[in-house]
Parts: sequence; structure tokens; C-alpha cells
Amino acid sequence: QVQLQESGPGLVKPSETLSLTCAVSGYSISSGYYWGWIRQPPGKGLEWIGSIYHSGSTYYNPSLKSRVTISVDTSKNQFSLKLSSVTAADTAVYYCARAENDYDSSGYYRYYFDYWGQGTLVTVSS
Amino acid sequence: QSVLTQPPSVSGAPGQRVTISCTGSSSNIGAGYDVHWYQQLPGTAPKLLIYGNSNRPSGVPDRFSGSKSGTSASLAITGLQAEDEADYYCQSYDSSLSGGVFGTGTKVTVL
Repeated sequence: QVQLQESGPGLVKPSETLSLTCAVSGYSISSGYYWGWIRQPPGKGLEWIGSIYHSGSTYYNPSLKSRVTISVDTSKNQFSLKLSSVTAADTAVYYCARAENDYDSSGYYRYYFDYWGQGTLVTVSS
Repeated sequence: QSVLTQPPSVSGAPGQRVTISCTGSSSNIGAGYDVHWYQQLPGTAPKLLIYGNSNRPSGVPDRFSGSKSGTSASLAITGLQAEDEADYYCQSYDSSLSGGVFGTGTKVTVL
């Protein structure tokens, strides 16, 4: 059974860098799949932050691209998120997830998140 | 920013059928990319409910069904139960993002 667990500081000061790690168990990151970060501000909807392929290729939401870095450490079977220059608007529950990507029987691409971490609340405040 | 549009809320009595719509654009659903649905119970992480427009992961009751047509998709819940009260999100791939795009979310209330 694939399991993901986020960890990192729950409180970050404005203008500093938010850093989170997602530890994966039950599956080796180096074997495949995309691995992503999604966030949810309190009382609001879900926002895709970015994803990293097991090979290290990264894809970021253009709205956050200038501030986001996602990296992978296959030796520890974990991947990480760094978000710089945070403001109160970055306060959210941050989820890590595995992204399945393949083609359906009609040849259309499908990209979806099949395993999720429990999420961790990060508050940006001085 | 790309986003999929859902109604903020839907409601129904136990046993009834409710549907949730999800409208996209030419860079996501309209481009042919599949639609997926997640259920988020209060205080928990989203859970995959439907993938590839209409497929249910193991363990998801057949009361939940999905469909897609053109630039829109729908989630139907038949035989509504109290435990179905949750937030539901659609999601697809967006070529302008080179990544995932989520719906605005719909709160289902069981009357």
C-alpha cells in the first residue's frame, strides 16, 4: 500500500521560504510516476502547485513558478517543496500526492492523483 | 489562471439522485483530456472517487458515476446517503499549465 507523509514547519514568517518534505513508503519513487504538491487555503479549493517526474523533470503552476522548487531524493525515497518569499496568501494545507499518467482506451491522456498524504497546515505569520 | 467551474452547492434527500457539473475549456476538458473526481470529507485529504471520466477505483460504491461530453463532465450520486455529505472536486490535465487543474468544488448536503 502506497503511503505519503508530509513534514515540515507549521509556521513560517512572511518573506521567508516554506520547506516541506514528503516521505513515500510502499513504492520506490525511482520506479516511475509523477509526484506532486497541491495546496488548499482554509475554506477554499484545491490548487496544483507542481510535479516532479521520477527522472527529475519538473512542472510548475505558472502562477507560482518564480517562487517554487520541487526536488526528489531517491536515496531517501522522498521529494520536497520549497516556496520562497511567502505571504499570508500562502497559508494553506499542503498535500503531497502521487500522479498517475497514462492514456485511456481512446488514446486520451489522463493525469490524476491516486494516493495522497494527510496534509499539513502551514501558516504564514510573524 | 485555468480553473474548472462547478456549482458551489447541491443538496438532496436521502435516496435521491444528485448531479454535479464541471465545465472546462479548450486547454483542458475540451482538448480531450480525461476528467477525474475526488471526495473530501471534513478535515481529511481528498480521495480519488472517479478516474478516466467514468472509472471507479476499487472500493468506491457504484452509486457514484461519471461522464464527460465536450468541454464538460458530470458526477452523479444515486441513492444519496448521509455519509456522502462532503466536498467534491473535478480535475483534469491542462496543456497551458502542463499539469493538473482542479474544479472550484461543490458541497453536497444531505437534507
